[in-house]
Amino acid sequence: DQQVKQNSPSLSVQEGRISILNCDYTNSMFDYFLWYKKYPAEGPTFLISISSIKDKNEDGRFTVFLNKSAKHLSLHIVPSQPGDSAVYFCAAPNTGNQFYFGTGTSLTVIP
Amino acid sequence: SQTIHQWPATLVQPVGSPLSLECTVEGTSNPNLYWYRQAAGRGLQLLFYSVGIGQISSEVPQNLSASRPQDRQFILSSKKLLLSDSGFYLCACPTPAGVRSPLHFGNGTRLTVT
Repeated sequence: DQQVKQNSPSLSVQEGRISILNCDYTNSMFDYFLWYKKYPAEGPTFLISISSIKDKNEDGRFTVFLNKSAKHLSLHIVPSQPGDSAVYFCAAPNTGNQFYFGTGTSLTVIP
Repeated sequence: SQTIHQWPATLVQPVGSPLSLECTVEGTSNPNLYWYRQAAGRGLQLLFYSVGIGQISSEVPQNLSASRPQDRQFILSSKKLLLSDSGFYLCACPTPAGVRSPLHFGNGTRLTVT
């Protein structure tokens, strides 16, 4: 059973515009969420996180929004740059600190 | 900060052959360690989780096993590989070690079973 879901396998955005990546979860006990970025043949790298006590966390061009009632989070990248082209994963740990990842969204930023 | 070493980087093995992938961690002690797999077209699947030497939790039934013979060593094994074992295998640990810390990943091993 997939506890963290990313329903959009791919997304293309023009350089300079906003990229919005979405993630849904089913486990209401999750209280911490993360976004990772992954390039081919490399391990994922941590991008940004948010605690369930917040509804927004911002770090430079990256902002994560959390809607607990909808069990939904999103990552906004503004402005998008070609170097942002990668696969993005959302993730959440359970109370046992086992991290569950979504299936990923491949972002392509077109110059 | 810790460093995760994984080897080999790439591996091509025939069906039915054994497998041993090694992960070692530097810069931390008694870390939680994780094995993940990214199969083609799929997300990151948690395979094994270890909180200490000799302590392994398996997330999914499969053809693989894991062992933790030392504090900072985590090994993924198989006695007989299947075609479906192909994928990108990643070792991870929290950074810095703690309850609510992001996972840090190694650079992975690309396994192709032929």
